[in-house]
Amino acid sequence: TQLLEQSPQFLSIQEGENLTVYCNSSSVFSSLQWYRQEPGEGPVLLVTVVTGGEVKKLKRLTFQFGDARKDSSLHITAAQPGDTGLYLCAGTNFGNEKLTFGTGTRLTIIP
Amino acid sequence: KAGVTQTPRYLIKTRGQQVTLSCSPISGHRSVSWYQQTPGQGLQFLFEYFSETQRNKGNFPGRFSGRQFSNSRSEMNVSTLELGDSALYLCASSFGQGPGGTQYFGPGTRLLVL
Repeated sequence: TQLLEQSPQFLSIQEGENLTVYCNSSSVFSSLQWYRQEPGEGPVLLVTVVTGGEVKKLKRLTFQFGDARKDSSLHITAAQPGDTGLYLCAGTNFGNEKLTFGTGTRLTIIP
Repeated sequence: KAGVTQTPRYLIKTRGQQVTLSCSPISGHRSVSWYQQTPGQGLQFLFEYFSETQRNKGNFPGRFSGRQFSNSRSEMNVSTLELGDSALYLCASSFGQGPGGTQYFGPGTRLLVL
């Protein structure tokens, strides 16, 4: 069974601070996706990374895929209250549409 | 373009009953996947349908079943409900042309089993 462990599980920081969320596995994934989920809604895709070592930036969010395609990180610069939510990483396997989700990081940004 | 819709949004059932949840994918999407989300287990994959055929299946008991219609709409059924089936059930649709494609999630159906 492939597992994706996210850390930290909970994170509460002040507005304007920086933070990093980690997503780790002992398995290799063909691609890795990051989602944000808000209460009462389904997850919304933020980014997909497919190449080992790939770095993608989305405004204040920076996503990195590990060289070995087993881990990923999400870095948020100057966090804002609107960043509050449940962040989920999810991996896909070669030749398979199935998403294996991480354990999740619940982020709260305090104004 | 309309997003993924799920009905009903909320449902209360009692143990032993059965339930059917519905998902309408984004127009043009042929793949529909179902997930169960609980506080303890997180988001877990149930099954995926593509062109009316089950293409992938997760590790859930046979009480959980699904189907997909020719218009790509999908239903999932849970029979003989147990308390532990209380969860948010999410469906996601994609073009289904290959792995790693973008999956778009619906708002979910929140099921409470009493």
